[in-house]
Amino acid sequence: QITLKESGPTLVKPTQTLTLTCTFSGFSLATSEVGVGWIRQPPGKALEWLALIYWTDDKRYSPSLKSRLTITKDTSKNQVVLTMTNMDPVDTATYFCAHVTPVTYFDYWGQGTLVTVSS
Amino acid sequence: DIQLTQSPSFLSASVGDRVIITCRASQGVSSYLAWYQQKPGKAPHLLIYAASTLQSGVPSRFSGSGSGTEFTLTISSLQPEDSATYYCQQLNSYPYSFGQGTKLEIK
Repeated sequence: QITLKESGPTLVKPTQTLTLTCTFSGFSLATSEVGVGWIRQPPGKALEWLALIYWTDDKRYSPSLKSRLTITKDTSKNQVVLTMTNMDPVDTATYFCAHVTPVTYFDYWGQGTLVTVSS
Repeated sequence: DIQLTQSPSFLSASVGDRVIITCRASQGVSSYLAWYQQKPGKAPHLLIYAASTLQSGVPSRFSGSGSGTEFTLTISSLQPEDSATYYCQQLNSYPYSFGQGTKLEIK
């Protein structure tokens, strides 16, 4: 059974760096063809894809946010970490992580974590 | 970047109706398209991948079709629990963009 859960601060101040952790079970990022992605959703708005890391450590980023994002994995801990620098109130959103495969796409999602950016 | 445009943005239909949601891509995405259902306060749930493959456990009243730039999600007989927002997503090229969503209301 695949599960994912996001964790991190619920409130960050403008200009601070956000660090979110996705802790998962039921699969390994050492397994071929597996990845973990991050997606966010501002309140009342659409989904936005942010970043993706594969079992090979290949990393992909949204071009509009690439300069602010870093995605890393810790295979031994079954965790993926996303950092976003220079947070702004427009970054207020629910952040989701998801299990990704090239066959079944974003097939399992975490419950999401709401991050508010405010002074 | 590939832009996905869903239509309509809002849809109101009755139980038993056949509902069709369209997703148009600004460039061809082959069949690398997924459909998700999202209910308020919940994570998106994968319904369809590879444009037309039903995810395990998803009711058969949901179906997907299309390739290239035009895709449809069809609900053959609308049920009360289908009230949700539906999103398409392309996985043909990075960034893996989503459509703006279609909110489906049950009359």
